[in-house]
Amino acid sequence: DTEVTQTPKHLVMGMTNKKSLKCEQHMGHRAMYWYKQKAKKPPELMFVYSYEKLSINESVPSRFSPECPNSSLLNLHLHALQPEDSALYLCASSQAIGVLTEAFFGQGTRLTVV
Amino acid sequence: AQKITQTQPGMFVQEKEAVTLDCTYDTSDPSYGLFWYKQPSSGEMIFLIYQGSYDQQNATEGRYSLNFQKARKSANLVISASQLGDSAMYFCAMREGRTGNQFYFGTGTSLTVIP
Repeated sequence: DTEVTQTPKHLVMGMTNKKSLKCEQHMGHRAMYWYKQKAKKPPELMFVYSYEKLSINESVPSRFSPECPNSSLLNLHLHALQPEDSALYLCASSQAIGVLTEAFFGQGTRLTVV
Repeated sequence: AQKITQTQPGMFVQEKEAVTLDCTYDTSDPSYGLFWYKQPSSGEMIFLIYQGSYDQQNATEGRYSLNFQKARKSANLVISASQLGDSAMYFCAMREGRTGNQFYFGTGTSLTVIP
């Protein structure tokens, strides 16, 4: 099973709303990632969790708040977003540091901020 | 400096023909992994093929092969017998031993297969 499951697939939210994106994997991977992707651009790294600890935060605004409740789950809490935050949000997982194998991605959440 | 460079923003190929998508990389780390991903318009990022820096042979996965030229720091993807379903964005990526959990992506190549 090489599946990473993201919910929801689509999300429309107002600038004052609070919402969460969810990601789940059961491959035993100990590194999990959040990426933001604009149309026709490569994914931009936002956060990396390694062994359930935040290891990389790419200077993401505090209106994005990640959480890793356990080794299988990754959440991204959204609050007071701006229209420019509209994008495809991708979750990924991989074996953790020391093993240079591939990351598997979820289908993404298409977020629209109105 | 760019870690991954893809110089072909868009490519066209006739159905059933082979196509090569270019990728060059930049690293001083002796240990690294190179990857190709396909992203259809649906948005999902699909892993295609992996090449390790110490691998002696070029990686192959079905119709995909990776032309790994270590001295030239290139990792081109070859798709044989193109199909209409191959139309998508293709991203080359790298993961270094030193930085571990960071994947570096190129800017992508948009491939269109013509019937």
